[in-house]
Amino acid sequence: SQTIHQWPATLVQPVGSPLSLECTVEGTSNPNLYWYRQAAGRGLQLLFYSVGIGQISSEVPQNLSASRPQDRQFILSSKKLLLSDSGFYLCAWSVYTRDTYNEQFFGPGTRLTVL
Amino acid sequence: AQSVSQHNHHVILSEAASLELGCNYSYGGTVNLFWYVQYPGQHLQLLLKYFSGDPLVKGIKGFEAEFIKSKFSFNLRKPSVQWSDTAEYFCAALNTGGFKTIFGAGTRLFVKA
Repeated sequence: SQTIHQWPATLVQPVGSPLSLECTVEGTSNPNLYWYRQAAGRGLQLLFYSVGIGQISSEVPQNLSASRPQDRQFILSSKKLLLSDSGFYLCAWSVYTRDTYNEQFFGPGTRLTVL
Repeated sequence: AQSVSQHNHHVILSEAASLELGCNYSYGGTVNLFWYVQYPGQHLQLLLKYFSGDPLVKGIKGFEAEFIKSKFSFNLRKPSVQWSDTAEYFCAALNTGGFKTIFGAGTRLFVKA
C-alpha cells in the first residue's frame, strides 16, 4: 500500500532563516506531487505541483521554491523566511487512472511558525 | 477564473440532525468533483467523488453528494449526523485530465452529542 511521509511535524523558525520541508511517497511510481498551504477559513492553497523529476509548476509567486530530486521526493524550500510564511503545509500525491482521476492523498502536514 | 465556493464556514448541529453543506464551482469544460474531510488530528482524506454517470454519489460513513450541472453545484448531505462527524469538510474541483485541484475554503462542522 502507498504511504506518504512529511517531516518535520512542527517547526519554529526565526524570520530570515532558511527552510526545508521534505515529503516522500512509498508504494507507487511516478506520482504527481503537490505542496499546499492550509490557512484557517481559506481552504487549501496550491503552491507547487510536479508531474515528474525536475518538473515543477509554481502556482503562487512568493518566497518559496520546490524541487523534486527523486521520483518520490518533493522538497519545499525558502532562503529567507517571512512572518507571512507561517502556516500548515501539506504534501499530497496522485496518480491518474480511470478510477482515481488524480484523486489526491495527503500527508500529515507540517506546522510552521515563523517568529 | 476557476473557483470553488462553500456556503457555510461553520455549522453546528445536534446528533441525528440532517446535514447539507453547499458547494458551487466555476469551471469551464468537464470537471471532476470531490469532497474531502479532515477529522481532528487526522490526515485530510477523500469522502466521495464524482466523475461521470449517476449524479448522486455515495461515499464513506453514510455521506452522499448530488451533482447538479445546471446549478454548478455539488452539495454534500447526510440524513443523520453523529458526534464523530465533527470535522472540517472541503469541496474540490479538477478539470478532467488536469492536475490542478481547486479547493473551497472549508466548512467546520461541530456535532453536539
